[in-house]
Amino acid sequence: DIQMTQSPASLSASLGETVTIECLASEDIYSNLAWYQQKPGKSPQLLIYYANSLNDGVPSRFSGSGSGTQYSLKINSLQSEDVSIYFCQQNYDSPWTFGGGTKLELK
Amino acid sequence: EVQLVESGGGLVQPGRSLKLSCAASGFTFSNYGMAWVRQTPTKGLEWVASISTGGGNTYYRDSVKGRFTISRDNAKNTQYLQMDSLRSEDTATYYCARSPIDTYLDYWGQGVMVTVSS
Repeated sequence: DIQMTQSPASLSASLGETVTIECLASEDIYSNLAWYQQKPGKSPQLLIYYANSLNDGVPSRFSGSGSGTQYSLKINSLQSEDVSIYFCQQNYDSPWTFGGGTKLELK
Repeated sequence: EVQLVESGGGLVQPGRSLKLSCAASGFTFSNYGMAWVRQTPTKGLEWVASISTGGGNTYYRDSVKGRFTISRDNAKNTQYLQMDSLRSEDTATYYCARSPIDTYLDYWGQGVMVTVSS
């Protein structure tokens, strides 16, 4: 199985700050990577697919980048509603696997 | 508006069966692959199974292969997860999700809790 390692596990940032979350795959996943946001008590929501494609309705302050085994999610100008847990997921090979999550809190 | 509504969860004894349903609306169900994903505080998110648009292709994670069966009824806009020989480690919140071109998961249901315990 392809292992997805996310970092950091938790992150505290101030409003307006830029934050970056990393995801490392155990092998090349050829940009078949998605990012999800999960707010407390809610189901995950798709933010980014194919590593850098913004899902419909997602604010442009979210962006994804990366290739090969290394990927990142960047949030510009952090807003209060961005407090969530963020997950990466590879869909290159079965079984699809998720990162352990990054909990983003406000400082 | 795309909606996915799961039902059928609950408390079940080890070794018994449970069938989850996911009613879809707001899109042409037969045009999309579908999936089940589960989540626990300890293991996080785990993909469980996927099914192709027509139902002819199904895929499972190893730990549920031979025990779980994913299926769909395109006439009823519903997908199912038949879970047999349930184990305590199957305890989780189960999400139904839509999968364009059998890749990422662009819409998720609200989730349904399954607890396997004696």
